[in-house]
Parts: sequence; structure tokens; C-alpha cells
Amino acid sequence: SSELTQDPAVSVALGQTVRITCQGDSLITYYANWYQQKPTQAPVLVIYRKNNRPSGIPDRFSGSSSGNTASLTITGAQAEDEADYYCNSRDSGGNPAVFGGGTKLTVL
Amino acid sequence: EVHLVQSGGGLVQPGGSLRLSCAGSGFTFSGYEMNWVRQAPGKGLEWIAYISSSGGSKFYADSLQGRFTISRDNAKSSLYLQMNSLGAEDTALYYCARGMGYYDPSWDYWGQGTLVTVSS
Repeated sequence: SSELTQDPAVSVALGQTVRITCQGDSLITYYANWYQQKPTQAPVLVIYRKNNRPSGIPDRFSGSSSGNTASLTITGAQAEDEADYYCNSRDSGGNPAVFGGGTKLTVL
Repeated sequence: EVHLVQSGGGLVQPGGSLRLSCAGSGFTFSGYEMNWVRQAPGKGLEWIAYISSSGGSKFYADSLQGRFTISRDNAKSSLYLQMNSLGAEDTALYYCARGMGYYDPSWDYWGQGTLVTVSS
């Protein structure tokens, strides 16, 4: 199975822009999705198929990809964006999915 | 409105079994692929099982070593996870999640999670 690598922690000042990255060989072939998880809550899909936002997700969230790296960008981070963020994609080894280890975002 | 309501978690002894359920409502359950994802205490998300909309195709994470079985009953709009030979490493919060497309790991609705604790 393949792996997706994320930085464990990232911080951003309130109102500034932050990029969270996800790296892995499967991203050369498959799209990344991004999930936000707040304490004691189920994950929420914030970006799917690289750069699409589900209904209800603010447009400050965007996704992009280059080579084996996918990125989630939050433009004008808000206090409520403080959460854990996970990327996933199809597994190039054949399984339907693999997750990154998650990035804890702190909004200062 | 789409809902996924989970049940069936709890405390189980090592070596025991447990069945989790996930009841869907507000959508045509038989038209969607479903997955189980788990999260050990203080850890990240781990995909563990997938089932196609008809139930004819299933995949499992290697870490399960054949101990878990995913199934569904489309007539009852329900998803199941039968867990056998449970060990401490299976202690986690278990989520069901609805897929958005064919063999697509973009999951737009999640259950509330159900806690499984394996301990003597």
C-alpha cells in the first residue's frame, strides 16, 4: 500500500493564509480529498477531487495539486478553522483509500 | 436530509466479537458505496473497509488480517461491520462514511462514530 505524508502541525495568524500539504506517490495518479476534524466531532469533507468544495464549505478553502503533492489552502484563516486536517486518496496499491497522518492547524 | 446513525459499539474482552451498524436515511442507500474508518485514541484516521453499492465488491485494510467483515442490507438501508478476534489494537472510534462516486474516497457524509474498547 502507498503512504501519504503530512506535516504534523502548522500554525497561522488570524486572517492570514496557510497551506497544508500532503505528499505521496498515489497523488501522481489520483486526486486528493481533504477532511477537517474538530475535537469530539466526525470528519467533514472540505475539498474533494483536488479542488471542489462541498455545499456549505466557505470559499476560503481551496485545493491544488502538483506532481506528488496536494495542498489545502485557507485564505484568511478564521478561529473556527483550528482543527486537524487529513488528506486521502485512492491507494496506488489497489485499496480504495489511504489517509495522511493529519495536520493540526493552530490559528494564532 | 442525509443521516448516518451508528450503533453497536461498547466494551469487549480480547478475543471477543462485536457487530457495528450504520443506518442510512434521507437518501437512496442502495445507490452509494460505503466505508468504515476508525480512529484510535489520539491518533489519525485509518480506512479499514469498503463495500460497493450492491455489496458485490469488498476491500479491507491489510491491518485487519481477515478478522473483520463488511456487509450491507439495502432493503434495510443499513451497513454492518462484523469484528472478530478483537485485540487491544482495535480499540478506536469507528465511523461509517458514504462515498460520492465509483471507487472514490471522497466521503460526504459520516456517522457520528461509535466507540469500541477492547479490554479485560
